[in-house]
Amino acid sequence: EAGVVQSPRYKIIEKKQPVAFWCNPISGHNTLYWYRQNLGQGPELLIRYENEEAVDDSQLPKDRFSAERLKGVDSTLKIQPAELGDSAVYLCASTSGQGSNEKLFFGSGTQLSVL
Amino acid sequence: KQEVTQIPAALSVPEGENLVLNCSFTDSAIYNLQWFRQDPGKGLTSLLLIQSSQREQTSGRLNASLDKSSGRSTLYIAASQPGDSATYLCAVSDDYKLSFGAGTTVTVRA
Repeated sequence: EAGVVQSPRYKIIEKKQPVAFWCNPISGHNTLYWYRQNLGQGPELLIRYENEEAVDDSQLPKDRFSAERLKGVDSTLKIQPAELGDSAVYLCASTSGQGSNEKLFFGSGTQLSVL
Repeated sequence: KQEVTQIPAALSVPEGENLVLNCSFTDSAIYNLQWFRQDPGKGLTSLLLIQSSQREQTSGRLNASLDKSSGRSTLYIAASQPGDSATYLCAVSDDYKLSFGAGTTVTVRA
């Protein structure tokens, strides 16, 4: 069974440019998360989806970040315009959503460098 | 706001030694606690999940304990191997929101 798939693995852009990350969760997983991980720190939640609905986006900087999960499967996270401080690893994770005691499965992440 | 702390930040041990990793959290009202492993440039892999009603979980050489009242968890790795070298993160769950520690980076010397 395929795990959580993310692309691209690496992205280097100049500040003020737009960037997008894509995530395909494990088949059948209804709950999808986007996390940001700064160097030497643990991941921090940006947004959580239940199917196609964003049920927790309180930590998403909405002035420049946006996300969508059309049809409740794949998801895209966008930053426009990117700032130097956005350099981090962006991780996607999913669970089956059957309960709060579910293990979380992570993708390999997209490492973003903003120059 | 839940604060999760992991001490030490880094640990180096000779092969065969047992590993003890610590995690503390400030709010004891949690649903569960998970321990993750992260290899360089990779995502996180869930190792063990302890529900709030449980005291410990075991998987192979790994054993994790949870003392909710004191806000502490410990991950034990028996007979460490070079392949255990990685960063280990703990995360506590408040319903569906996970709060992560910064991790302990472990190096097992051959």
